[in-house]
Amino acid sequence: DVKVTQSSRYLVKRTGEKVFLECVQDMDHENMFWYRQDPGLGLRLIYFSYDVKMKEKGDIPEGYSVSREKKERFSLILESASTNQTSMYLCATIAGGARVSYNEQFFGPGTRLTVL
Amino acid sequence: AQTVTQSQPEMSVQEAETVTLSCTYDTSENNYYLFWYKQPPSRQMILVIRQEAYKQQNATENRFSVNFQKAAKSFSLKISDSQLGDTAMYFCAFGTQGGSEKLVFGKGTKLTVNP
Repeated sequence: DVKVTQSSRYLVKRTGEKVFLECVQDMDHENMFWYRQDPGLGLRLIYFSYDVKMKEKGDIPEGYSVSREKKERFSLILESASTNQTSMYLCATIAGGARVSYNEQFFGPGTRLTVL
Repeated sequence: AQTVTQSQPEMSVQEAETVTLSCTYDTSENNYYLFWYKQPPSRQMILVIRQEAYKQQNATENRFSVNFQKAAKSFSLKISDSQLGDTAMYFCAFGTQGGSEKLVFGKGTKLTVNP
């Protein structure tokens, strides 16, 4: 079974703090994603990575950066947390291949971040 | 740009009954994929069912089936014999063939199955 883990289930930070959210997968998948989930807005893609040290912006990258130094680990960084970044953050991974977008995305349990 | 619309923010159904969740999408692509993902309360999101646009036959996975109407750009999910464990957020998603790995998700439908 694919396992996708996230470093924290709940996190409370203060405005202006630098925040690191980590995601680790154990299935050697090439592609990893960070989403933000807000009520009434669904899932919105922040960043994704298709290989080590490779990244692409998603739909809402402002205020975020990412790091992928190893294949199994994908980190989301909030350089200076703000209250409007209070949200649920979901990590996902997907295998590569010819029909990569048809493959199942495997999700982590989510990190509920509150910025005070 | 592709968009996915789920017009029902919340729905409820009685246990053992059938319920249909709606999803429409907008795209100029001809080859693409469609998905339904399920997010139970406080649990991880999982894939329920998926459909390739070039296949006319509707996908089925046990009690879950889809009604895929390509011309109408509609992709509804039917849950038969609803169970309490079907209570969840359901997200419709769209992916393009041969292009980006990204999926576009709808805003979700919260389904409650009542005993």
